[in-house]
Amino acid sequence: NAGVMQNPRHLVRRRGQEARLRCSPMKGHSHVYWYRQLPEEGLKFMVYLQKENIIDESGMPKERFSAEFPKEGPSILRIQQVVRGDSAAYFCASSYPGGGTHEQFFGPGTRLTVL
Amino acid sequence: KQEVTQIPAALSVPEGENLVLNCSFTDSAIYNLQWFRQDPGKGLTSLLLIQSSQREQTSGRLNASLDKSSGRSTLYIAASQPGDSATYLCAARSGGYQKVTFGIGTKLQVIP
Repeated sequence: NAGVMQNPRHLVRRRGQEARLRCSPMKGHSHVYWYRQLPEEGLKFMVYLQKENIIDESGMPKERFSAEFPKEGPSILRIQQVVRGDSAAYFCASSYPGGGTHEQFFGPGTRLTVL
Repeated sequence: KQEVTQIPAALSVPEGENLVLNCSFTDSAIYNLQWFRQDPGKGLTSLLLIQSSQREQTSGRLNASLDKSSGRSTLYIAASQPGDSATYLCAARSGGYQKVTFGIGTKLQVIP
């Protein structure tokens, strides 16, 4: 039973480039959440997605950031024209949609460094 | 809007001590509350999850309690060990879309 997988684990980009972060949820999970953790800060909610739908994107910056969770394949968090302030750890979590605890299981994170 | 606060921000204790980490939340209409552990540069490991209808959960040397009416949760660690050194995060799930709101965490150091 593989857990939540994220890749790459580390990503280095120069200012102005694009960053694509991928998240594969646990088997059977169709809910995905993205969080950002800035240095010395807590995790901040960014976006909540179900298959092919964005449910809540209230934590996403208005510009340059987008997320998708297609019917097939991983969820993608895309950051266009990265700036130094985008340097952070980005965590993905998934949960099972049925009844129960709705516990979120986290991936190992992608650490983005913008030079 | 849910806000989660954790006190203290950092804690240093000698090995073997029992300790309590505190978490408070402003919106008592939570769905559940979860405690995580995060090691430096690593992801999050779920420790305990308490549903809103529960008062406490236990796993090994860990015990988490929940008091919704006062907006508080505590994580009790018995007989602390150096391997317990990490940052402990509290997260409350609430709202229409059951968004999870994290506290900043308590950085624990257990000294051998």
